[in-house]
Amino acid sequence: DQQVKQNSPSLSVQEGRISILNCDYTNSMFDYFLWYKKYPAEGPTFLISISSIKDKNEDGRFTVFLNKSAKHLSLHIVPSQPGDSAVYFCAASFSGGYQKVTFGTGTKLQVIP
Amino acid sequence: DARVTQTPRHKVTEMGQEVTMRCQPILGHNTVFWYRQTMMQGLELLAYFRNRAPLDDSGMPKDRFSAEMPDATLATLKIQPSEPRDSAVYFCASGRDTEKLFFGSGTQLSVL
Repeated sequence: DQQVKQNSPSLSVQEGRISILNCDYTNSMFDYFLWYKKYPAEGPTFLISISSIKDKNEDGRFTVFLNKSAKHLSLHIVPSQPGDSAVYFCAASFSGGYQKVTFGTGTKLQVIP
Repeated sequence: DARVTQTPRHKVTEMGQEVTMRCQPILGHNTVFWYRQTMMQGLELLAYFRNRAPLDDSGMPKDRFSAEMPDATLATLKIQPSEPRDSAVYFCASGRDTEKLFFGSGTQLSVL
């Protein structure tokens, strides 16, 4: 039962353009969402997060949007850079209890110079 | 920089052998997670500890997998007996009462 879904396994974008990575979730109890970035042969690293009380959070070139009614969030990278090429994981958790973090299957982003 | 340390980085073993993976969480972190990365499931949660107590191991095959935290500086994941379908990258992550986790570099396991 995949509660966090990333339906696009891969995405290619030209350098300088916008990258949009999408994520859907099924558990309406999730109230905190995160994006992690993973380079080959390394562990994932935290990128940006958003609480369910917000619908947008921005950090430099990275913006996460949350649409609770649609159970959908997206990560926007503007402008995209070749160093952004990595696998991006969406993750979700809920505060009713302990901080069990559920990850999606990942989207591999390739930024073409 | 503080980091989560996992050993070994790579492990090749034969089917039926015992495999032990070790993790040293970041000092001061009170949560430890074990994840397995597969193509189909992404990062699959195997086990979760808070203040060294196991809170969730529902993602682990109970008959062959076990996870422990003998002390605050060491978490272990054991597979006995190992099977080819266990081949994957296993990640340990730690955190401090937040969902922001710090991951180790992973153990690449190959079971022949």
